[in-house]
Amino acid sequence: GAGVSQSPRYKVAKRGQDVALRCDPISGHVSLFWYQQALGQGPEFLTYFQNEAQLDKSGLPSDRFFAERPEGSVSTLKIQRTQQEDSAVYLCATGPSYFGPGTRLTVT
Amino acid sequence: RKEVEQDPGPFNVPEGATVAFNCTYSNSASQSFFWYRQDCRKEPKLLMSVYSSGNEDGRFTAQLNRASQYISLLIRDSKLSDSATYLCVVNMGYGGATNKLIFGTGTLLAVQP
Repeated sequence: GAGVSQSPRYKVAKRGQDVALRCDPISGHVSLFWYQQALGQGPEFLTYFQNEAQLDKSGLPSDRFFAERPEGSVSTLKIQRTQQEDSAVYLCATGPSYFGPGTRLTVT
Repeated sequence: RKEVEQDPGPFNVPEGATVAFNCTYSNSASQSFFWYRQDCRKEPKLLMSVYSSGNEDGRFTAQLNRASQYISLLIRDSKLSDSATYLCVVNMGYGGATNKLIFGTGTLLAVQP
């Protein structure tokens, strides 16, 4: 595809469940960022990859959050034991002009 | 203190009005600056970059004051289609082509007919 894609677009999880959110970047884009956007807030930086290397994970809110990009292309953001405060839109981006549509996570 | 601060609004303006949004940032090491537009339930879209010399794109003018750590966006002749949230964004990047974007909370603009 021509842009960044994310799946699923919507995810409802029961509190305590694990979830995995996928980002398919534009082919050849080296940088990949994950952001979390809570309702009424701007996106907040979570983590950054350059190819397969995770160079910055300073924004991950807890050790329940884990991200990987093993082959330097597709990335997965995993949230273990989801909590209600994890409800947000999770955005993937490969540059200032290249944001995916986001995954809206609702934890019930 | 948040790294990027904006008035959340909402700004309710009539069509044809001129509206200005302001934003301040706290980190003087910030490298570059942007305004984004975000429609309801959509991803943010880059509206324009912001330069010290000021830059204009049609009805939109952006300005940066590095000494005051202040960024502005001016929209002239507002259209109904300008209704959206405008996000002030600072790049704390790693140098080169990479970008670590720090977003403000956004300012909601509602243009009324």
